[in-house]
Amino acid sequence: DADVTQTPRNRITKTGKRIMLECSQTKGHDRMYWYRQDPGLGLRLIYYSFDVKDINKGEISDGYSVSRQAQAKFSLSLESAIPNQTALYFCATALTGNTEAFFGQGTRLTVV
Amino acid sequence: GESVGLHLPTLSVQEGDNSIINCAYSNSASDYFIWYKQESGKGPQFIIDIRSNMDKRQGQRVTVLLNKTVKHLSLQIAATQPGDSAVYFCAENQAGNQFYFGTGTSLTVIP
Repeated sequence: DADVTQTPRNRITKTGKRIMLECSQTKGHDRMYWYRQDPGLGLRLIYYSFDVKDINKGEISDGYSVSRQAQAKFSLSLESAIPNQTALYFCATALTGNTEAFFGQGTRLTVV
Repeated sequence: GESVGLHLPTLSVQEGDNSIINCAYSNSASDYFIWYKQESGKGPQFIIDIRSNMDKRQGQRVTVLLNKTVKHLSLQIAATQPGDSAVYFCAENQAGNQFYFGTGTSLTVIP
């Protein structure tokens, strides 16, 4: 089983719909991250959390919100999806003090 | 904000040759620089890191060089194999906080 699991793996949604992407981890890491990947732009940080009561905005948080329901769970929401949010989304985890982040398999989101 | 960029978006090498992937960064305050490999359809995977007070670090078939004078980072892969074909990202990490990634270099190994 994967240590960092993202659901769903693929999703097509309509403009204006609310959608939630979920991430769960079994690594016991305290830090969790949401990234967005677009061709030619690399990975851009949306939100990150250092523990259950800590939420921080990243480079491109507009249009997104997150919830850290438990240490193992970190969900990303698009309140009203728009086509330019079509991208590959990755969740990652890390342990405080470590440089190695562990990524999920990604969620491919298409907004039509 | 931080800026981590790559000199070349694509690189093709012959199997068995050495590969060199370059990265420029702008934040001198970063504590660590990290290389990730992303294979098709997968999330990025950690390869190697280097602390900012080091110039060189070696791993299995990989070497990372850090030149703080010109804010340049490189990843050298020895005896490149077909399984090395992937997109490579450099990233920087400051005080154990968020990771900032570059745009990636796509490495293709020609058999």
